[in-house]
Amino acid sequence: EVQLVESGGGLVQPGGSLRLSCAASGFTFSSYWMHWVRQAPGKGLMWVSRINSDGSSTRYADSVKGRFTISRDNAKNTLYLQMNSLRAEDTAVYYCARDRIAAAGFDPWGQGTLVTVSS
Amino acid sequence: SYVLTQPPSVSVAPGKTARITCGGNNIGSKSVHWYQQKPGQAPVLVIYYDRDRPSGIPERFSGSNSGNTATLTISRFEAGDEADYYCQVWDSSSDHVVFGGGTKLTVL
Repeated sequence: EVQLVESGGGLVQPGGSLRLSCAASGFTFSSYWMHWVRQAPGKGLMWVSRINSDGSSTRYADSVKGRFTISRDNAKNTLYLQMNSLRAEDTAVYYCARDRIAAAGFDPWGQGTLVTVSS
Repeated sequence: SYVLTQPPSVSVAPGKTARITCGGNNIGSKSVHWYQQKPGQAPVLVIYYDRDRPSGIPERFSGSNSGNTATLTISRFEAGDEADYYCQVWDSSSDHVVFGGGTKLTVL
């Protein structure tokens, strides 16, 4: 079964840091581009970042560029999101998602992990 | 940056056809994907490449895309189809993924 499981969320103070992980199983992780997408409470989906299959290329939404870093360890089948200089507006459920071959949408998605930035 | 516009809400009676639009500048030249999200759950891909259905998605779900509007159509609407629906494209000019604001689909 293809599965993505996020972890690492929690409560952090403004200006703090957090690293999210996404453990992949059931497919050849190293063959797929991966993404992080977040959803603030009661709000819509917002794309955060993506990384290509070997980790050599990354992209970020303007609102997180320079503060967040996406990376992956293909030997461990794990995707990461390092989040620094966190702000209240970063509070959201963070999902990892697999990019289907040839950019045919995101499938599957993980169950999400909640990040709360508050003092 | 590229913007996708969806109506905040759509209501439909059971057994009828629901249509959710996604507007964007010349969106017909892009590939549009659609997601269904039920409360407390992760999104699920229901349509990719404008009109293709992943395995396991009922034939009642269909899509189209032309000009400045893409449309998700759900025929023979069921109460279990109540959910938020999001359209998504890849903006080649910025190399960013873009989501629409989402549409809450409810039963009349």
